[in-house]
Amino acid sequence: QKEVEQDPGPLSVPEGAIVSLNCTYSNSAFQYFMWYRQYSRKGPELLMYTYSSGNKEDGRFTAQVDKSSKYISLFIRDSQPSDSATYLCAMKGSNFGNEKLTFGTGTRLTIIP
Amino acid sequence: EPEVTQTPSHQVTQMGQEVILRCVPISNHLYFYWYRQILGQKVEFLVSFYNNEISEKSEIFDDQFSVERPDGSNFTLKIRSTKLEDSAMYFCASRGIPGTSNYNEQFFGPGTRLTVL
Repeated sequence: QKEVEQDPGPLSVPEGAIVSLNCTYSNSAFQYFMWYRQYSRKGPELLMYTYSSGNKEDGRFTAQVDKSSKYISLFIRDSQPSDSATYLCAMKGSNFGNEKLTFGTGTRLTIIP
Repeated sequence: EPEVTQTPSHQVTQMGQEVILRCVPISNHLYFYWYRQILGQKVEFLVSFYNNEISEKSEIFDDQFSVERPDGSNFTLKIRSTKLEDSAMYFCASRGIPGTSNYNEQFFGPGTRLTVL
């Protein structure tokens, strides 16, 4: 079983739709969860960062973590064509001595105008 | 807004040659990282660096790889004898200092695309 599983898509939705992106993980040591956005041939850009189970909202983006189910989600409301990108989930253990990020494969998202 | 920068954006080299990829992390950051992404695959951790020494490295980071912080601003990744399978995007990242709001966040540079022929 892979440490982090993410549906690679591609996912196409019409502009204005709600997008749901998900990752599951198997390593209970993961404590910090991130969502990155990556445009073609660019570096990952941090969108959301969460630690505890529950929801965290930032504008049109909501990150959800369920540690009991080892499941994280990113919701995008009122999706825009500029949201078209690959979305990567990433996670890591505690800060001390285990800093590496483990990424999912990324989900390629296209918002259709 | 401060950002991580990387040079060159694209490096083409012959198999067996040495390459040095350069990064300028965000000023005042103390933790530095290299990741790579082979085309079509996921981003993979290579190495983390703190206080002038490697704090963690992956299985990929073998004896052919080395990192250095030669001065107060640059952070380099050297591949001693490149192989075809080293062709990938290489990303540098840095992390903030304790007590700052973004202490836990790794900020990535735009990457260097390495092509080994």
